[in-house]
Amino acid sequence: DTAVSQTPKYLVTQMGNDKSIKCEQNLGHDTMYWYKQDSKKFLKIMFSYNNKELIINETVPNRFSPKSPDKAHLNLHINSLELGDSAVYFCASSLVPGQRPDEQYFGPGTRLTVT
Amino acid sequence: RKEVEQDPGPFNVPEGATVAFNCTYSNSASQSFFWYRQDCRKEPKLLMSVYSSGNEDGRFTAQLNRASQYISLLIRDSKLSDSATYLCVVNNQAGTALIFGKGTTLSVSS
Repeated sequence: DTAVSQTPKYLVTQMGNDKSIKCEQNLGHDTMYWYKQDSKKFLKIMFSYNNKELIINETVPNRFSPKSPDKAHLNLHINSLELGDSAVYFCASSLVPGQRPDEQYFGPGTRLTVT
Repeated sequence: RKEVEQDPGPFNVPEGATVAFNCTYSNSASQSFFWYRQDCRKEPKLLMSVYSSGNEDGRFTAQLNRASQYISLLIRDSKLSDSATYLCVVNNQAGTALIFGKGTTLSVSS
C-alpha cells in the first residue's frame, strides 16, 4: 500500500536520449510535485500541479516537461538528456497547498545517471 | 540571502548527547515550518511541524521565533538511529510550495 510510488528507481542512459519517470499517489491528494536533488544534496522544487493544472514552474530547462493525466499521476519527461541532469528526482504529493496540513509525502526517488 | 539557511554540519556526537540545529529563513510571510529527516539514499520524511508556541515530540523539541525568522530543533539523548540529514523547511510566499534548506548531517556514534 505504497503512498507515493515512482518508476523506475534507477535510470542509466546516454546523453541525448529522451526518458520519462512516472509517479503515482494513492493518497487522494490534490497536489503533486517534482523535486531535483543534486550531488550536493540540495533539494529544489521543479514543478507543482494542482488537480492536473500547473501551478509552479521554477527555472527549469524546457527539455523537462511534466504531464498530469489525472490528479493521481504526475510524470516527468526529459528530452535530450545532459550530464548535468544526473541527480535524484523525487515526486511528492500533498493536500491543497496553503491549507493545513500541508505536509508533503515523498516517493522513493529515481536516481538518474547520464553518461 | 538564501531562502533557508542551516548550520553546515556535520555534527558528530556520542550516544546520549544533546544536539541542537539552527535554521534561518528569509521570507517573513512564511506560515508553515517543518523539520524533515532524510536517511542516506532515501526520501525525505516529515519529522515534525514547528509551531510558534514550540512543540515537543519525545526527545525532539522544535522552536520558532518569527521575529528573528529562526527555527531550531533540539534532540535529547541521541540514539544511533538518529543519524541522518535534518532538513529545515518553510513554505514559499504564495503558500504553494515548500522551500528546503540544504540540510545538516548528524552522525551519532557508540
